[in-house]
Amino acid sequence: GDSVTQMEGPVTLSEEAFLTINCTYTATGYPSLFWYVQYPGEGLQLLLKATKADDKGSNKGFEATYRKETTSFHLEKGSVQVSDSAVYFCALSDGSGGYQKVTFGIGTKLQVIP
Amino acid sequence: NAGVTQTPKFQVLKTGQSMTLQCAQDMNHEYMSWYRQDPGMGLRLIHYSVGAGITDQGEVPNGYNVSRSTTEDFPLRLLSAAPSQTSVYFCASRGTGGNQPQHFGDGTRLSIL
Repeated sequence: GDSVTQMEGPVTLSEEAFLTINCTYTATGYPSLFWYVQYPGEGLQLLLKATKADDKGSNKGFEATYRKETTSFHLEKGSVQVSDSAVYFCALSDGSGGYQKVTFGIGTKLQVIP
Repeated sequence: NAGVTQTPKFQVLKTGQSMTLQCAQDMNHEYMSWYRQDPGMGLRLIHYSVGAGITDQGEVPNGYNVSRSTTEDFPLRLLSAAPSQTSVYFCASRGTGGNQPQHFGDGTRLSIL
C-alpha cells in the first residue's frame, strides 16, 4: 500500500537558519503530494502541494519539489522564524481513480528558538 | 467563511459512556473523513464518506460508527467509550479529485477515564 516516511523530530533550529524536512513516499499510482502544517491547538492546514513530477509547490517562503525519480518531496525554507514552530505533515493522495485515500506521514515537530 | 466546524472542542467521558462528535462543512464537499491523532502515530483514518448515504471504514474503525444523511454533516459516534479512545479527533472534507487538499476542523480533544 501507499506510505509516507518523514522524521518525527523534534527539529530545533535557531531563527534565520535553513530548514529541510525530508519526505519520501511509496505509491502504486501517480499521487499528488502535499505538505500540511499544524499549529498548537489547531487542525492541519494546507501549506503547499504539487500534482505531477517536477512541479514545485511554494507558500510563505516554503518550497518543495516533486521528485519522481527519488520518490521524494522535501520541504525547505531559507530562513525560519519563531512563528514557523509547528508540526509539519507530508501527505499523498493516490490519484488512481475512485476515492483517493490520503496517506499522512507521522509529522515532524519544528521548534525555532530566538 | 466557517469551513469545517467540529463540536465539542473538549470532552471527558467515563468508560462505557457513548457520545457523538459533530462535524459540519459549508463548502459543498463530497468527501468527508474522520481521523484520530495520537503521539508518535500521526493521523489514522477512522471512517470516510464519498457522499450523502455512503460511508466506508478506514484503518481503525472499531468502536466507532458514522452516518452521512446530508452533504454538510458527518457525525462520529463512540458506542461504548474505552480509555484507548482517548485522542484528538479531526474531521476533514475535500472536493473530488486526487489533487484536492483536505480542509480540517480544529479538532475535539477527548479523554476517557
